[in-house]
Amino acid sequence: EIVLTQSPDFQSVTPKEKVTIVCRASQNIGSSLHWYQQKADQSPKLFIKHASQSLSGVPSRFSGSGSGTDFTLTINSLEAEDAATYYCHQSSNLPKTFGQGTKVEIK
Amino acid sequence: EVQLVESGGGFVQPGGSLRLSCAASGFTFSDYSMNWVRQAPGKGLEWVSYISRSGSTIYYAESVKGRFTISRDNGRNSLYLQMNSLRDEDTAVYYCTRDTVNDCWGQGTLVTVSS
Repeated sequence: EIVLTQSPDFQSVTPKEKVTIVCRASQNIGSSLHWYQQKADQSPKLFIKHASQSLSGVPSRFSGSGSGTDFTLTINSLEAEDAATYYCHQSSNLPKTFGQGTKVEIK
Repeated sequence: EVQLVESGGGFVQPGGSLRLSCAASGFTFSDYSMNWVRQAPGKGLEWVSYISRSGSTIYYAESVKGRFTISRDNGRNSLYLQMNSLRDEDTAVYYCTRDTVNDCWGQGTLVTVSS
């Protein structure tokens, strides 16, 4: 099973600050890495697919990068509405797995 | 509008059964593979099962293999999850999701397994 380890687990950030979330895979997964945002009491929402492909409707301040085993989700100039838990997910190998999540709080 | 609506959750005792349904609308259901993903209270996300567009290919997480059965009815635009021999640790919100990248999620249905 491919283990995805996110860091940090929690981040408290002031508005307009840059946020970087790292997701490390225990094996090479190419670019089969996707990022989701889950706000409190809501369903997760796909934000970045295949490591770096943005989705329609996702603010341009969100970007993804990486391949192989190391991936990054970057939020440039954090806004209050970005408070959420962010999960990475790999679809390369079975079983499909998720990272443990990174909670981003607004100071 | 693309929409997934889950139903069928509820309270059940250990060893019991439930059948979840997911009604799809706003897209050609038969063009997409589907998944079930669950989230225990206050916990992270766990992939449960996958079914291909035609239903010919199916995969399960080890934690549910032999107890859960995924199926679909493309004529009814519906996805199902038959859950048998339920355990306390199956307590979670169950989401149906679309495609390999889970690009659409339902609102979820809560399954509570407790004596």
